[in-house]
Amino acid sequence: QMQLVQSGAEIKRPGASVKISCKASGYTFTSYDINWVRQAPGQGPEWMGWLNPNRGNSGSRQKFQGRVTMTRNTSITTAYLELSSLTSEDTAVYYCAVRGYSDSIYFDYWGQGTLVTVSS
Amino acid sequence: EIVLTQSPGTLSLSPGERATLSCRASQSFSSSYLAWFQQKPGQPPRLLMYGASNRASGTPDRFSGSGSGTDFTLTISRLEPEDFAVYYCQQYGTSPKTFGQGTKVEMK
Repeated sequence: QMQLVQSGAEIKRPGASVKISCKASGYTFTSYDINWVRQAPGQGPEWMGWLNPNRGNSGSRQKFQGRVTMTRNTSITTAYLELSSLTSEDTAVYYCAVRGYSDSIYFDYWGQGTLVTVSS
Repeated sequence: EIVLTQSPGTLSLSPGERATLSCRASQSFSSSYLAWFQQKPGQPPRLLMYGASNRASGTPDRFSGSGSGTDFTLTISRLEPEDFAVYYCQQYGTSPKTFGQGTKVEMK
């Protein structure tokens, strides 16, 4: 069955960077875009961007451009989100998610989430 | 960017009652790209509906979605105890893909 497993919680100082991993299994990793979504405490989800694991290209929300890098390692079916120049406003749970059709069934799977806390 | 505004912010209802949740967009878009999610504390959002009116796998038929253009609705015909949660709409046809701010369905 399709599954996304993310790396563990992180505590970072302001100005630092964080890199989160998302290990995919149960499907062909290169067949579906991976989306990254974050959710600050008590807030709604916020879409950050997407990664095409096949070609390696990506796109991000304008507010994150210059600060976010989305990459992948196809040999270990893992996607990565790196966010730099962290501030307290980046404190959130970060999710990877994949959505699409498989055998005519529309699916939407999310990782369990990675809590990133930015604090001095 | 398309801004989605959900109303009401909180809906206080009893089990067995009907819930009607609204999602209004700042500009028109294809209903093919409107989704509804349910989220419970400590869990990621769970897809309920896609394409405005299509139930995702595992979504009970007491959930239904409708709408077009800028106005979309999620209806829960008879609330079950497990339906008390926060609900988000999302448009995913135009970048950036945006979410509404959510409607909390709480037990009265």
